[in-house]
Parts: sequence; structure tokens; C-alpha cells
Amino acid sequence: DAGVIQSPRHEVTEMGQEVTLRCKPISGHNSLFWYRQTMMRGLELLIYFNNNVPIDDSGMPEDRFSAKMPNASFSTLKIQPSEPRDSAVYFCASGLQATQETQYFGPGTRLLVL
Amino acid sequence: QKEVEQNSGPLSVPEGAIASLNCTYSDRGSQSFFWYRQYSGKSPELIMFIYSNGDKEDGRFTAQLNKASQYVSLLIRDSQPSDSATYLCAVNRAGRRALTFGSGTRLQVQP
Repeated sequence: DAGVIQSPRHEVTEMGQEVTLRCKPISGHNSLFWYRQTMMRGLELLIYFNNNVPIDDSGMPEDRFSAKMPNASFSTLKIQPSEPRDSAVYFCASGLQATQETQYFGPGTRLLVL
Repeated sequence: QKEVEQNSGPLSVPEGAIASLNCTYSDRGSQSFFWYRQYSGKSPELIMFIYSNGDKEDGRFTAQLNKASQYVSLLIRDSQPSDSATYLCAVNRAGRRALTFGSGTRLQVQP
């Protein structure tokens, strides 16, 4: 099994640019989570999908952030426009709802906004 | 009060000793509890989960849950240098399917 796949693994961009992060969950999983990790705030949930439907987006910082899940095997997290404070590691995780949300993390995308 | 609290450490133990990692949570309705290990620069990796009061053992790892006192712990027996990492406690709060993570405890196992 390939595990959760994320791309790109690293992204360096300038303030004001649009950034798109991509995630492919583990095949058969019906829950998908986007997290952000920083030294200051730790690992925090941004948004959670179940069966491709956004369930909890209370962690999305502001309107600059948006996430989509057009099908069971693909999700995107977009930041537009990006700001230096968005610099972090962004993780995608997937799980099976039936297993009380045991989640498996992807390798993460390291984002640096200059 | 943070929802999930952990001592940031570092917790330093000699090789072969038992490492004890602790976590407290604030929401009494929390139902599921997880321990993740994260090596520097890597993603969190699930070690164990526990749902019921008491102990759950898996190899060198034992998770302990006490819902009355609202704490979860992870014991690592026969600690190895390869166990050196940050250990994240995560809680599945009632009514919220996603996990809430603590800030992690950094463990150092000295050879």
C-alpha cells in the first residue's frame, strides 16, 4: 500500500502568490484531514472531509484558505494570497470512519512563504 | 487550559530503562486516545490507540487510560536510542471526529 501521498514535498513562494497543496488518501479510506504544524502552535486541524463532504472547517484560518475534495482519491488545499505567517508543514491524513478515526499521515508539504 | 496537555520535555532516559510519557485532557466526553511518534522532519506515525480504562499492551509499548482522572500515559519498556523522538498525544473529543493533538513530549534515550 502506497500510504497517503502529498505533493509537492517542498514549496517556496513569495508573499501574495497562490499555493496549491495536493493529497491522495489511502485507497478505501473515507475520511480525509488537513493539518498544519508549526513550532508555535503545534499540530492543528484545518479541515476534515467525510465521504468527500467537508464536515468541520472550523480550523481554516481565514478566507485565504480553501479546500476541496472532488472525489475519493484526491484533495487540494489552496492558499490565495499566501503570507509569510502561512509558512508551516501541512499534513494530509486519511482514515476509516468505522475505526474511530485512526488516522494515517502523509509525508507533509513544507511551505515557506517569503 | 489547553485541551490536551503534555510536558514538552525533553525527557531523558538511559538505554534499557522505562520511559513514561503523560498526557491530560480537558473534555470529559473524549472517547478515543492515540499516541503518535514523530521523528524530526518526518510525519506523525501511529503507535497505539486506547478506548477503555486500563492498560493496553503492544510489544514494548503500554498505553494506560484513566478517564476519571482524565489522563493517558505511554510506557516504553527497554527504551532504545531509536525511540528518541517527539511523542504526540491525541484525543478524539466527543462530537468532533477529528483529533486534537497535544504539543508533544520530546524523548531522548541515551546510549
